[in-house]
Amino acid sequence: GQNIDQPTEMTATEGAIVQINCTYQTSGFNGLFWYQQHAGEAPTFLSYNVLDGLEEKGRFSSFLSRSKGYSYLLLKELQMKDSASYLCAVRDRNYQLIWGAGTKLIIKP
Amino acid sequence: ETGVTQTPRHLVMGMTNKKSLKCEQHLGHNAMYWYKQSAKKPLELMFVYNFKEQTENNSVPSRFSPECPNSSHLFLHLHTLQPEDSALYLCASSQERGTGGSPLHFGNGTRLTVT
Repeated sequence: GQNIDQPTEMTATEGAIVQINCTYQTSGFNGLFWYQQHAGEAPTFLSYNVLDGLEEKGRFSSFLSRSKGYSYLLLKELQMKDSASYLCAVRDRNYQLIWGAGTKLIIKP
Repeated sequence: ETGVTQTPRHLVMGMTNKKSLKCEQHLGHNAMYWYKQSAKKPLELMFVYNFKEQTENNSVPSRFSPECPNSSHLFLHLHTLQPEDSALYLCASSQERGTGGSPLHFGNGTRLTVT
């Protein structure tokens, strides 16, 4: 079967850096997405990786290693508003999106 | 108004009721989706419409019935639901089904409680 694994919950301190990992086993690979979802709100698109390497977008960066079936989302200079769930999703060979259960990130002052 | 709009935001219904969820997108997208989100579980894809044609029905019980009258509107008709159907129902849209890096744009969801 297809599977996405990410930690259930992480805690970090305001101003610090946190890395959220995502590992996947899917039938083929056509890209990996990260979404942010604040409680009671819509998931919003953060990043897309299809080639190996690091994609940087302001305070957020996303890394992909296709050979390892691994990605991470790196959040720098953490702010209280970064408290949210972060969802990892992989597009398989049939362009189906396979979702992880999400990582709840708690930021403490 | 821009983005994806879902109504109602909250819905409480009994098991014998019939209700409908509505979704509207103002992004000019051609694909629309219904997802179910339960606590601590991955998003579950329910239905997909691409250019108004239903392309996927992921073994969803017949008590859920989708309708897509045009590329901008999507409905989910509900009847004789069960308590385990209580969840957040998310609507999403994208440019086309399955195109490369085209991300999904989600609505804020309908929080459904079945009593």
